[in-house]
Amino acid sequence: KAGVTQTPRYLIKTRGQQVTLSCSPISGHRSVSWYQQTPGQGLQFLFEYFSETQRNKGNFPGRFSGRQFSNSRSEMNVSTLELGDSALYLCASSLVVASGTEAFFGQGTRLTVV
Amino acid sequence: AQTVTQSQPEMSVQEAETVTLSCTYDTSENNYYLFWYKQPPSRQMILVIRQEAYKQQNATENRFSVNFQKAAKSFSLKISDSQLGDTAMYFCAFMRTGAGSYQLTFGKGTKLSVIP
Repeated sequence: KAGVTQTPRYLIKTRGQQVTLSCSPISGHRSVSWYQQTPGQGLQFLFEYFSETQRNKGNFPGRFSGRQFSNSRSEMNVSTLELGDSALYLCASSLVVASGTEAFFGQGTRLTVV
Repeated sequence: AQTVTQSQPEMSVQEAETVTLSCTYDTSENNYYLFWYKQPPSRQMILVIRQEAYKQQNATENRFSVNFQKAAKSFSLKISDSQLGDTAMYFCAFMRTGAGSYQLTFGKGTKLSVIP
């Protein structure tokens, strides 16, 4: 089956602009989580959506927001971009199966803010 | 809150040899999952192996195995017969169960280089 798909793969934005990233989870997975990866801070949890509801949020400013649609696809939005928002944004989709919990990642979106 | 510590920022191993990556974690939870992910230069995060805390038997996946010591809160990854394609960043990750969330907490990673 298809994996987690993130679009676009690369983005270059200017400070002050806003950006929207998209994530399509594995078919049947209802949970989508977002992570920010930077060389200095490593992998940090942004938020998680399950059945169109945000059920967990990391320690990020309100400029970072997200949503999930009825088909489980998720988007995250960053408004008023800052240079420090430059990062790899990873999306993970998860599902509990008989053998345990699966958590699979997309290839990420590389955001550069100039 | 959970924390995950990977004390080896970088490691190297000769091709065909065995290497062990260390991971310790801190939690007050009794039920959780532990994962090792591999991130090659392509930046794709790939699940290597998973361990359920309630299982005493260590997980294995082909050349990859773990040494899970629940009391010591230790979760090391052993890679046998190392191959050039194993060169990557390796992240140890923790996930609570029964918390209504699939949030992962990651360590800082270990950069593994396999030398021909």
